[in-house]
Amino acid sequence: GESVGLHLPTLSVQEGDNSIINCAYSNSASDYFIWYKQESGKGPQFIIDIRSNMDKRQGQRVTVLLNKTVKHLSLQIAATQPGDSAVYFCAETRSTGSGGSNYKLTFGKGTLLTVNP
Amino acid sequence: DVKVTQSSRYLVKRTGEKVFLECVQDMDHENMFWYRQDPGLGLRLIYFSYDVKMKEKGDIPEGYSVSREKKERFSLILESASTNQTSMYLCASSSPLWGDAEAFFGQGTRLTVV
Repeated sequence: GESVGLHLPTLSVQEGDNSIINCAYSNSASDYFIWYKQESGKGPQFIIDIRSNMDKRQGQRVTVLLNKTVKHLSLQIAATQPGDSAVYFCAETRSTGSGGSNYKLTFGKGTLLTVNP
Repeated sequence: DVKVTQSSRYLVKRTGEKVFLECVQDMDHENMFWYRQDPGLGLRLIYFSYDVKMKEKGDIPEGYSVSREKKERFSLILESASTNQTSMYLCASSSPLWGDAEAFFGQGTRLTVV
């Protein structure tokens, strides 16, 4: 069935290292992808997005890479800091088929990133 | 500052009770969503709405219903709460524009059904 999933449920890195969080998706019709960060006790917060007509997008310390050939998405965090410790979710957007611009967001299961000082 | 507000952070209800979870957004967004979040399962979509009085089933609608009488408010209803509905419930809203789908989330409501 259609799904958005993650390769690794947990990731532990040293402060200052780069982090890479991976995500696989199975619906080739999805054309917009988002990474969210969820800190303990809070709702998910938007980090960065990418459209399917792109293969790379950069933000502040974060980069998202999209490989449509293998349906793979990754989030790279440069110089990881303790404040980056959180659960990271990838999400895909696809149309509901009910017309217009209606769509729904489907989330992966999340990766817990722990940054060690 | 954009805001999605869920009426309760924590709720404890008894099995069989009717439960209302309320969500209000102040961004004039057309789209609103209800998810539940469980360990190891991530966020799963229960219902969503793309207009007032409109709703669509998500991936796990069984045991739930929703109400969207006003644009800013989206309610999730558990008609008869059961223990397997103990979970974290997250509300979100977003713009309806295709490809501009950033969703803003509330803080979540942790519901315990005993």
